[in-house]
Amino acid sequence: GAGVSQSPSNKVTEKGKDVELRCDPISGHTALYWYRQSLGQGLEFLIYFQGNSAPDKSGLPSDRFSAERTGGSVSTLTIQRTQQEDSAVYLCASSIGGTSNQPQHFGDGTRLSIL
Amino acid sequence: AQKVTQAQTEISVVEKEDVTLDCVYETRDTTYYLFWYKQPPSGELVFLIRRNSFDEQNEISGRYSWNFQKSTSSFNFTITASQVVDSAVYFCALRNLSGYSTLTFGKGTMLLVSP
Repeated sequence: GAGVSQSPSNKVTEKGKDVELRCDPISGHTALYWYRQSLGQGLEFLIYFQGNSAPDKSGLPSDRFSAERTGGSVSTLTIQRTQQEDSAVYLCASSIGGTSNQPQHFGDGTRLSIL
Repeated sequence: AQKVTQAQTEISVVEKEDVTLDCVYETRDTTYYLFWYKQPPSGELVFLIRRNSFDEQNEISGRYSWNFQKSTSSFNFTITASQVVDSAVYFCALRNLSGYSTLTFGKGTMLLVSP
């Protein structure tokens, strides 16, 4: 009974580098979400996938952020030319469907630190 | 627009005390879902409860209870006889029925239970 798996757990990189964060949702979950958790800011929605499509990308903070999902399963969040303000914990969640009554199940997150 | 407010940033109690975490929400939708999540120091968000807007019956699960008051747009969470293991950040979240219904989170309340 694997839960949502995220890798890496921690990532430290220099400003200006690109980073890729990976999320492996619970098997059978068609909906996948990315959130960002910054200190004192709560959770901020980034993007929602239903299958391989992203009907809602409204939370992506800039065009340096992109995400894709393949095979209705694994998703990758890419941040290009990282900035110090990108430092945060990036959380991935999945749910059985995209309907509003389905609880989202979260991974442990990737802690990203930009030097 | 929707919004979730958790006015208590941090609460400290001594073990065995009862504690209530407040959550107030705003939404224009008449149908919506409310959630509580727990984030222990390990970082993973753990789903605790879901409540739909049509069901104002209070719920009790062991030492946890939830009080949903539609008239005041509140969904408060009470832990009875708190334990050290309850120490965590607790998030209240709202999800509308309409649209792609992403979760809107409050900023969280950090609960510290000391022995």
